[in-house]
Amino acid sequence: ETGVTQSPTHLIKTRGQQVTLRCSSQSGHNTVSWYQQALGQGPQFIFQYYREEENGRGNFPPRFSGLQFPNYSSELNVNALELDDSALYLCASSLGGGRRAYEQYFGPGTRLTVT
Amino acid sequence: KQEVTQIPAALSVPEGENLVLNCSFTDSAIYNLQWFRQDPGKGLTSLLLIQSSQREQTSGRLNASLDKSSGRSTLYIAASQPGDSATYLCAVYSSNTGKLIFGQGTTLQVKP
Repeated sequence: ETGVTQSPTHLIKTRGQQVTLRCSSQSGHNTVSWYQQALGQGPQFIFQYYREEENGRGNFPPRFSGLQFPNYSSELNVNALELDDSALYLCASSLGGGRRAYEQYFGPGTRLTVT
Repeated sequence: KQEVTQIPAALSVPEGENLVLNCSFTDSAIYNLQWFRQDPGKGLTSLLLIQSSQREQTSGRLNASLDKSSGRSTLYIAASQPGDSATYLCAVYSSNTGKLIFGQGTTLQVKP
């Protein structure tokens, strides 16, 4: 157990809807990174938040947005859902941000299905 | 652009066999390399992290090596057990982009 929790565990949404996924970081960690993992693929980096500010973004459209709160928990929001957004969404917490390569600790993930 | 490749995509071995999983990366500008284990539908469990200045790390029956100059890492699993069946992912932390870049994984099945 890493101490990183995510909610909900599973979610089913309809194309065009909006979804919010949540992540609580490990105690003492101030950085949260989000990843999308399609079936049979490795995780793809979406973005990272460090001390409540976005600190790096992968190749994802603006309809993927995020937020980090003062307690360092985080949300991932996806608007105008598409079928290809169906995936396992993973968050990882770490101490420190930017290009300092601190070890990341992953949560169990949220399985999103878009129909 | 950093790319991470894992070969083979799938592997099936009898219990007790020693095995090697391979990971290659295209850009040697990395901070570290991590090996993860993922059970079906679950999150990632970190197995070993090798800093760019290190050559190998060991934990129990697992040994990971890193050759940064050739862009290769191997994960050696000794005396494999059915409980080792899972997908193994390697990831490099790119010092150019500040991102963790993953390979597609190797799915291992250890048969009793």
